Amino acid sequence: DQQVKQNSPSLSVQEGRISILNCDYTNSMFDYFLWYKKYPAEGPTFLISISSIKDKNEDGRFTVFLNKSAKHLSLHIVPSQPGDSAVYFCAASRLESGGGADGLTFGKGTHLIIQP
Amino acid sequence: DTAVSQTPKYLVTQMGNDKSIKCEQNLGHDTMYWYKQDSKKFLKIMFSYNNKELIINETVPNRFSPKSPDKAHLNLHINSLELGDSAVYFCASSLLGQDYNSPLHFGNGTRLTVT
Repeated sequence: DQQVKQNSPSLSVQEGRISILNCDYTNSMFDYFLWYKKYPAEGPTFLISISSIKDKNEDGRFTVFLNKSAKHLSLHIVPSQPGDSAVYFCAASRLESGGGADGLTFGKGTHLIIQP
Repeated sequence: DTAVSQTPKYLVTQMGNDKSIKCEQNLGHDTMYWYKQDSKKFLKIMFSYNNKELIINETVPNRFSPKSPDKAHLNLHINSLELGDSAVYFCASSLLGQDYNSPLHFGNGTRLTVT
């Protein structure tokens, strides 16, 4: 039972263009969402997060959008750079739980490839 | 100055053996975790632990046990290893009650191969 789904295993984007990574969730109790970036042979690193009281959060080239009614979030990267090539994981949790017992529920990841 | 470090990076062992993976964090966090990334690439929580409470994911076999000698360390012991235990194991830490400013910080993973 995948509660967090990333339906695109991979995405190829030209350098300088916008990269849009999508994520859907099924658990309506989730109220805190994060994106992690992972390079090969390294652990995931935190990128950006958003709580359910917002519908947008921006940090430099990265913007996360949340559509609660659709249970959908997306990560926009603009402009895309070669160093952005990595696997991006969407994750969700319930802030009320403190992330303890539930931890974070991750999607399977999307491999973003930035082409020069 | 690695924030979350785990050793070894690779671990190859035979079925039935007992092994440990060590994890240390120097971030001053009070909660540590173990996650497992299986062959299907899902990252799933195994344990979360702070100095007050160990929370175990009910799907984790009791052959797996976390041991915390102090707040900065959470080691993972695995007894009677099975083929299905082959995976990448990630240690992570955060401040208690993840909030917007305290997401998980992960180590670089330990790739366990059971033969």
